[in-house]
Amino acid sequence: EVQLVESGGGLVQPGGSLRLSCAASGFTFSDHYIDWVRQAPGKGLEWVGRIRNRANSYTTDYAASVKGRFTVSRDDSKNSVYLQMNSLKTEDTAVYYCVRPTVTMSFAFDIWGQGTMVTVSS
Amino acid sequence: QSVLTQPPSVSAAPGQKVTISCSGGSSNIGNDYVFWYQQLPGTAPKLLIYENNKRPSGIPDRFSGSKSGTSATLGITGLQTGDEADYYCEAWDSSLSARVFGGGTKLTVL
Repeated sequence: EVQLVESGGGLVQPGGSLRLSCAASGFTFSDHYIDWVRQAPGKGLEWVGRIRNRANSYTTDYAASVKGRFTVSRDDSKNSVYLQMNSLKTEDTAVYYCVRPTVTMSFAFDIWGQGTMVTVSS
Repeated sequence: QSVLTQPPSVSAAPGQKVTISCSGGSSNIGNDYVFWYQQLPGTAPKLLIYENNKRPSGIPDRFSGSKSGTSATLGITGLQTGDEADYYCEAWDSSLSARVFGGGTKLTVL
């Protein structure tokens, strides 16, 4: 079964840091880009960032709202992607989804994880 | 405020048809494909339409997508109570170098 499973969410104080993990299974992980999308409570979806595959030099892109604070990385040997979040703000409170964009569908997000909740509060 | 504009809510009776609009600009919808996602209550979003009008395997043909210029539309026919969900459009924005979503539309099947 093709699957993405996030972990690492929790409660953190403003200004703090947190690292989310996303474990992939059921497909050739190293071939794919992986993105992060978040959803604040009761709000819509917001794209956070992306890491490309080795063929594309593992390059990354970020939303303006998180650029300079968040970093996406990956370990193909562990079929895992990470989202390092620093200098967290209350407005970063959200469910964070790990998603797979598929090149054969012009990078549509065809696989989503179940999400992990991050709460930034004092 | 979202880059792509959707109506906050739409409603229709079971068996009827509904359309959900998504308006953007030349740097996103006007320049690239549109995708649509369905989010049932309490669940992760699911891909509904890709490349403007294509359905992934397993998505019934009651769901359709179209695009014209800088706008896109999701159509749902033969509405069922199980279609009650939030629907989001999405595209790549070349000016922002970012994926952008609409604000979402809540569908109520009366």
